[in-house]
Amino acid sequence: DTAVSQTPKYLVTQMGNDKSIKCEQNLGHDTMYWYKQDSKKFLKIMFSYNNKELIINETVPNRFSPKSPDKAHLNLHINSLELGDSAVYFCASSQGANRGNEQFFGPGTRLTVL
Amino acid sequence: KNQVEQSPQSLIILEGKNCTLQCNYTVSPFSNLRWYKQDTGRGPVSLTIMTFSENTKSNGRYTATLDADTKQSSLHITASQLSDSASYICVVSARNNAGNMLTFGGGTRLMVKP
Repeated sequence: DTAVSQTPKYLVTQMGNDKSIKCEQNLGHDTMYWYKQDSKKFLKIMFSYNNKELIINETVPNRFSPKSPDKAHLNLHINSLELGDSAVYFCASSQGANRGNEQFFGPGTRLTVL
Repeated sequence: KNQVEQSPQSLIILEGKNCTLQCNYTVSPFSNLRWYKQDTGRGPVSLTIMTFSENTKSNGRYTATLDADTKQSSLHITASQLSDSASYICVVSARNNAGNMLTFGGGTRLMVKP
């Protein structure tokens, strides 16, 4: 009965590899987000999807490509991983595209690039 | 430039004591302010939301205040418990044509010791 779930929880990989992180929410929300939390614990929004349509794309390298097959899923694919991609990635969801609405966060995926 | 600054960066208190966390922001036009609690290894969870017209709001032992004139908010924790050990993140939402921008503070790391 987890509200927002992410897999995997931990991901360790070599530079240059391609990896994906999956996110699913069972709250019936229509908006989903990806955030990056760096070592200083700052959360930065990367993408936002509303009803499977991209509505926010912050200045994120195009090596990062989100995919939303349906309203309940928002996956993040990362090509050619770099050392600086090491961080914790959080998925979140909310009802409505207003980012001021309460967002429900997943448990995070800790990505380590060696 | 929209900014949210939190203080202190970290805080250690004894169980049962009270504490107050500060959040100063320069975000405009202001829409709302949320305090999130982030336990270690987990995603943030919303504690309270403050809108422009609200001065104070309580959620159990947590009381948030907002002074929209000075652009300051505080989160007061009463009779702290070990489970209050976490990072507390202040998030301010600004209205814009694209549907609210969020600015995250860097958080205050609170440790409650027995």
